Amino acid sequence: AQSVTQPDIHITVSEGASLELRCNYSYGATPYLFWYVQSPGQGLQLLLKYFSGDTLVQGIKGFEAEFKRSQSSFNLRKPSVHWSDAAEYFCAVGGYSGNTPLVFGKGTRLSVIA
Amino acid sequence: GAVVSQHPSWVICKSGTSVKIECRSLDFQATTMFWYRQFPKQSLMLMATSNEGSKATYEQGVEKDKFLINHASLTLSTLTVTSAHPEDSSFYICSASAAGTKNIQYFGAGTRLSVL
Repeated sequence: AQSVTQPDIHITVSEGASLELRCNYSYGATPYLFWYVQSPGQGLQLLLKYFSGDTLVQGIKGFEAEFKRSQSSFNLRKPSVHWSDAAEYFCAVGGYSGNTPLVFGKGTRLSVIA
Repeated sequence: GAVVSQHPSWVICKSGTSVKIECRSLDFQATTMFWYRQFPKQSLMLMATSNEGSKATYEQGVEKDKFLINHASLTLSTLTVTSAHPEDSSFYICSASAAGTKNIQYFGAGTRLSVL
């Protein structure tokens, strides 16, 4: 079965510190992987995506993620967190077809302290 | 980037009435649209997949007679919550993808439904 696990429900980091959000997936075929961010009361914004090729992908807002097939992981990282990064982060996996729904993890809430 | 507009952003209605939520792709043709429901501090729960010109495919446990989905054009899908009850109060989010975009989904800003 297809699934996404985000082991950390809530993470708190200091502003300026580095960040890593974990994501593990289970998918029967070649996965397409995504990270989305959601601010309170808002929809989801695409941060970055992985389809193929270079396993380190760059996204918006200074985020990057690394695909590790051997570990079935797609962890999100940022070298220096800003207070505006506080939000809910969702990892998702999907297939090639555009009419295939994405499977989302339960999300990780990021809090940033001064 | 691709923009998906969802309207209204917030609606309050009386129990027993129906509410329609619109999801529009503003600058691309959305061959497929998805409707999700999100409970507070939880992940997105897929309700249905909607392809233009065909009937929506509902997930198990989602009442198709209660949550009517119409995808009449390549830029518009609507979700109608019929005979709404307080337990239908939730945050509803749509997303849209275009053919050939490798399943990149663009999300609307969501609609908060409160049923009194």
